[in-house]
Amino acid sequence: QQQVKQSPQSLIVQKGGISIINCAYENTAFDYFPWYQQFPGKGPALLIAIRPDVSEKKEGRFTISFNKSAKQFSLHIMDSQPGDSATYFCAARTGGFKTIFGAGTRLFVKA
Amino acid sequence: NAGVTQTPKFQVLKTGQSMTLQCAQDMNHNSMYWYRQDPGMGLRLIYYSASEGTTDKGEVPNGYNVSRLNKREFSLRLESAAPSQTSVYFCASSASGGIDTQYFGPGTRLTVL
Repeated sequence: QQQVKQSPQSLIVQKGGISIINCAYENTAFDYFPWYQQFPGKGPALLIAIRPDVSEKKEGRFTISFNKSAKQFSLHIMDSQPGDSATYFCAARTGGFKTIFGAGTRLFVKA
Repeated sequence: NAGVTQTPKFQVLKTGQSMTLQCAQDMNHNSMYWYRQDPGMGLRLIYYSASEGTTDKGEVPNGYNVSRLNKREFSLRLESAAPSQTSVYFCASSASGGIDTQYFGPGTRLTVL
């Protein structure tokens, strides 16, 4: 069974702090790793994504760090804001049409 | 430009009843997907359609059928609903597969009693 393991399940961070969410995978055939953000009552939306030939990708306050040898990747949210409070999903794809999602992390940023 | 739309938003069924969830996209995308989202399990792919005229099973296809009616529309049918199918269902579309961004609809919350 292909799996993507995500931790923590939930996270509380003070405004201005750094939020860190971690994911690990087994299948070395995965070649695309997107992160999705989901607000209550809405569908997920792509936040940022990385290919395994890159160790880090930054877009504004959001950074993905990728460790190919350890088969791990993580999302860092710098200067976390209350508006970042949402559920975050990591995911992995083999290049076709099937995406495997992590279980999700509920982030709450305290004002 | 509405993106991906889904109907209905909410539905309550009794065990054994059937229903069809509708999905439409206006982005001229080739590929469409149906996922279910359950607490603590993320999203799981039920079926996908790589292009008009094709459909394939995902991770959890049992109990479901799909129809790619045309390029815009992709429906999901529950022939005989079971309580285990209580979930939030999301439709998504993408230009193609691979690294193309998937765009999700707002979801249908289904309860099977």
